[in-house]
Amino acid sequence: AQSVSQHNHHVILSEAASLELGCNYSYGGTVNLFWYVQYPGQHLQLLLKYFSGDPLVKGIKGFEAEFIKSKFSFNLRKPSVQWSDTAEYFCAVTPSGNTGKLIFGQGTTLQVKP
Amino acid sequence: DGGITQSPKYLFRKEGQNVTLSCEQNLNHDAMYWYRQDPGQGLRLIYYSQIVNDFQKGDIAEGYSVSREKKESFPLTVTSAQKNPTAFYLCASSIDGGGGDIQYFGAGTRLSVL
Repeated sequence: AQSVSQHNHHVILSEAASLELGCNYSYGGTVNLFWYVQYPGQHLQLLLKYFSGDPLVKGIKGFEAEFIKSKFSFNLRKPSVQWSDTAEYFCAVTPSGNTGKLIFGQGTTLQVKP
Repeated sequence: DGGITQSPKYLFRKEGQNVTLSCEQNLNHDAMYWYRQDPGQGLRLIYYSQIVNDFQKGDIAEGYSVSREKKESFPLTVTSAQKNPTAFYLCASSIDGGGGDIQYFGAGTRLSVL
């Protein structure tokens, strides 16, 4: 069965530290990849997406992610986190051309200390 | 103000009772989804609908039912057959349910059992 695995369940960082959240998926075909974020008290919203082309994609608020096909990975990065980045982050995958059924990872809670 | 409205925000269910969660969207999207969010498990798909009067089961449909009589509405009923209904329920919509769609989420309904 297709699955998405996020390696870090709870991450605590100080402001200005660099962030990398791991995401691996199990599906052998072409996929669309997403990172969604849920800030405290807010709707789940799209952070960035990869469909095709340049494997390094940039999203909102200085986030970026790199798709490495050979590793089935789509890790999220940010060079310098801020207190306002405190949120829960979800990696999600859908096979290209599929019905749009998103398969989510377990989520990573990021806590940034001021 | 376009978006997805879920109601109520909090809901309590008694033993043996069916309860219905409302989801309305004014984005003119064809596809709508229901997810269940549990701590440490990410989001899991309950049901989805790509067009009016049609819907499909997701990964955890047992104990739930839906209807899609109008494009803008996709209510979810949690039946008494669902033995562990306590969770956070999220509704989403997307343009046409294709694999490249971005899903937009509501604020969620938190369901608890009395």
